[in-house]
Amino acid sequence: GDSVTQMEGPVTLSEEAFLTINCTYTATGYPSLFWYVQYPGEGLQLLLKATKADDKGSNKGFEATYRKETTSFHLEKGSVQVSDSAVYFCALTPRGSARQLTFGSGTQLTVLP
Amino acid sequence: DVKVTQSSRYLVKRTGEKVFLECVQDMDHENMFWYRQDPGLGLRLIYFSYDVKMKEKGDIPEGYSVSREKKERFSLILESASTNQTSMYLCASSPPGTDTQYFGPGTRLTVL
Repeated sequence: GDSVTQMEGPVTLSEEAFLTINCTYTATGYPSLFWYVQYPGEGLQLLLKATKADDKGSNKGFEATYRKETTSFHLEKGSVQVSDSAVYFCALTPRGSARQLTFGSGTQLTVLP
Repeated sequence: DVKVTQSSRYLVKRTGEKVFLECVQDMDHENMFWYRQDPGLGLRLIYFSYDVKMKEKGDIPEGYSVSREKKERFSLILESASTNQTSMYLCASSPPGTDTQYFGPGTRLTVL
């Protein structure tokens, strides 16, 4: 079945540091790929997504590129802020389907001032 | 904006009790989902529904049931709560033809 593997956390960075959170997936065909973010005490929010190979999703300074050849969708941000402290989830769903999201285990990010 | 609401943010129940978790969405979405979130395991799908009175099992349906009598409301039922059902429960919805789900704030359930 489909699966998503994320780098384990927690990750602690200083403000303005560069962020990478690795995500690789196993799926048949061409899934849609997502990054969701969960701020403390809240539900999940869609951060960005990409639906086909080489697409780059971006939002709030975060970026991730759909790499079919390496089955990866790594999340990056050039300069993190304290307000980026949250749990980040990589996820996939079969293309064009909202029937089921398969999530990674989540990565806790803490940004220190 | 899409709004998904859940009836409680925090809930404490005793073993053996029947527990109802309610989820309401205001955007006329066909699809609705219940997940549980546990540390180190991410989110796992319990049940989903793609129409009124329709339901399908997710990855971990054991010990749970669901009800969808109206399009905007999707209920998760724990017939006899057990301590291993202590978890964060998240509801989500999505419109047809898209692959983006919108999540509620979650209900943290503790079963003593």
